[in-house]
Order: sequence, then structure tokens, then C-alpha cells
Amino acid sequence: NAGVTQTPKFRVLKTGQSMTLLCAQDMNHEYMYWYRQDPGMGLRLIHYSVGEGTTAKGEVPDGYNVSRLKKQNFLLGLESAAPSQTSVYFCASREAGSSYNEQFFGPGTRLTVL
Amino acid sequence: AQKITQTQPGMFVQEKEAVTLDCTYDTSDQSYGLFWYKQPSSGEMIFLIYQGSYDEQNATEGRYSLNFQKARKSANLVISASQLGDSAMYFCAMREGWSRGGKLIFGQGTELSVKP
Repeated sequence: NAGVTQTPKFRVLKTGQSMTLLCAQDMNHEYMYWYRQDPGMGLRLIHYSVGEGTTAKGEVPDGYNVSRLKKQNFLLGLESAAPSQTSVYFCASREAGSSYNEQFFGPGTRLTVL
Repeated sequence: AQKITQTQPGMFVQEKEAVTLDCTYDTSDQSYGLFWYKQPSSGEMIFLIYQGSYDEQNATEGRYSLNFQKARKSANLVISASQLGDSAMYFCAMREGWSRGGKLIFGQGTELSVKP
């Protein structure tokens, strides 16, 4: 049981390049989330999904797109990377239903945009 | 708008002593949840404790307890008998209502340093 995994762990991009971050969970969770964490700050929500085939915007969605074609995977795309997107990206998932269910986080992806 | 405030950027505590990390929140929802996560220097997010808005008793998990004062809108984390391994960033987070996907709103965090 791997929990939540993220690929890649590190990435360096040049301004204008594109990339996709992959999040996978093996806990059969309905809900999945993408956050970014900037130095000295808490996590901020980019996009989230409450089920396969559904996505919604979070607090800071500009410059990102997401897809949830399979229940276990949640992809985060950067079409044209900017230095302001240099950050650590966390994926999380949780079960639907009980209010006590916490979000389980992946190990994070450290992205640098030059 | 929902908001989480952690007013202590950094805290020091002597090993084996107790420490309280402050968290205040603002929400218009009647149903909400409050979480604490630990982020060690390795970077992962570790869930510590949860308090529901309708829970009458304060949550406890081992050495962690949550001092929930609903009227004051505060949810302070208490760590008893601090250990060197408790040195980390600690984040308070609030789950919004179900109509908004159960998303978490995070505070800015408190960096705790435990001294031997």
C-alpha cells in the first residue's frame, strides 16, 4: 500500500516550457487535491476533484490545468511555466463521507522555473 | 471569508516540557473541521489530530491534544513532554463545508524548535 505518490520528485524547467505532474493514490479515495507551498507560507489549493471526471478550481488556479480521467490519478499541468510557479507541489487525497477523514499527502514535487 | 491565523512564526521549547501552538480561525459555516499537520525538514505532511465543530470534547492523540474554544474560534495544539523529534513546522488547517469539496485552508505555520 503505497498511499499517495507523486512523479517526479524534482524538476527544473525553463520559462515557457510545459510539464505534467502525476499524482496516484491506491486507497480508492474519491477526493483529490493539488496544493502549492511557497517559502514561509502554508499550502494553497490549486485545483481539486470530488470524483472521476470532475475537477474544480481552488484558491490559486491560474496557469494550471488538471485532469482526473481515472479515479486513482490526478494530473496537474503547466502549459507555459513561469518563475512565479517555482514552488513545492503537494497532492492529497481523502475518502468521501465522514467528516473525520483527514487528507493524506504525497511527498511533494519541488519545481524550479528558471 | 474563511481564514486560518497562526501568529507564532517560531517557537522554542525545552525538551520534556509542554508547548502550545496557537491557531485562530474565521468561518461562517456551522459545520467545519480543524486539523493539525506536522511538516519535518524532510518535507512530508503528517496528520496529527482532528477536531470537529460539533465535538464537545477536546481531541487527544497520544502526546497531542487540541484545546478547542469554539466561542473564541481558537484551536490550539498542545504537545506534552516535547521530544527532539518534534522540531518541525506545524500547520493548522480548516476544512470548509461539504458543498465546497471539503477543501483545507492552511495557516502560515509555526516553526517549533525543541532544545535539549
